[in-house]
Amino acid sequence: KQEVTQIPAALSVPEGENLVLNCSFTDSAIYNLQWFRQDPGKGLTSLLLIQSSQREQTSGRLNASLDKSSGRSTLYIAASQPGDSATYLCAVFNTNAGKSTFGDGTTLTVKP
Amino acid sequence: DTEVTQTPKHLVMGMTNKKSLKCEQHMGHRAMYWYKQKAKKPPELMFVYSYEKLSINESVPSRFSPECPNSSLLNLHLHALQPEDSALYLCASSSPGRGRNNEQFFGPGTRLTVL
Repeated sequence: KQEVTQIPAALSVPEGENLVLNCSFTDSAIYNLQWFRQDPGKGLTSLLLIQSSQREQTSGRLNASLDKSSGRSTLYIAASQPGDSATYLCAVFNTNAGKSTFGDGTTLTVKP
Repeated sequence: DTEVTQTPKHLVMGMTNKKSLKCEQHMGHRAMYWYKQKAKKPPELMFVYSYEKLSINESVPSRFSPECPNSSLLNLHLHALQPEDSALYLCASSSPGRGRNNEQFFGPGTRLTVL
């Protein structure tokens, strides 16, 4: 059974800092991994999708890496802003259009 | 258009009521999903439809009944729910296939309260 762990559970940083969120998974036979952000009471917004054959993806100030062999992904956020405050979730998909397993998320607070 | 819409935004129902949640996407996606999310917890997969056929049912109680009338619409019929079913219900869609196409897009959710 796939298990996904996100560390830390919560993170508070001053504006402008670069930060790293971690996601680890137990079964390396994944199809892809997706990072989302969720604002309180809202739906999930897709940030980055990494296919199992890829090592990293970038979008603006965000960079996500994937190391399947060690069962790890990181989300790097550069020059953090208060608007980045949200819960960040990683989800591992074991098949195409199939089961997904989410981590519990990292709640990020960026202070002005 | 990368939007998944869900109606209603909020729903309050009694344990004897029958109601339905609706989800719609016009991205040409052929996989659609229902998730349930309790407060401060990650989403839990309930159902997956692939090409309008139910492909995954995560042992969800029969008081939840999914329906996929066509490739753009997904419904979740609710009947005889319990207060512990109160949660945010999220719909998502993706396009099965290689490359970026299998990225999942989520709707804003329906906040359900069962009295």
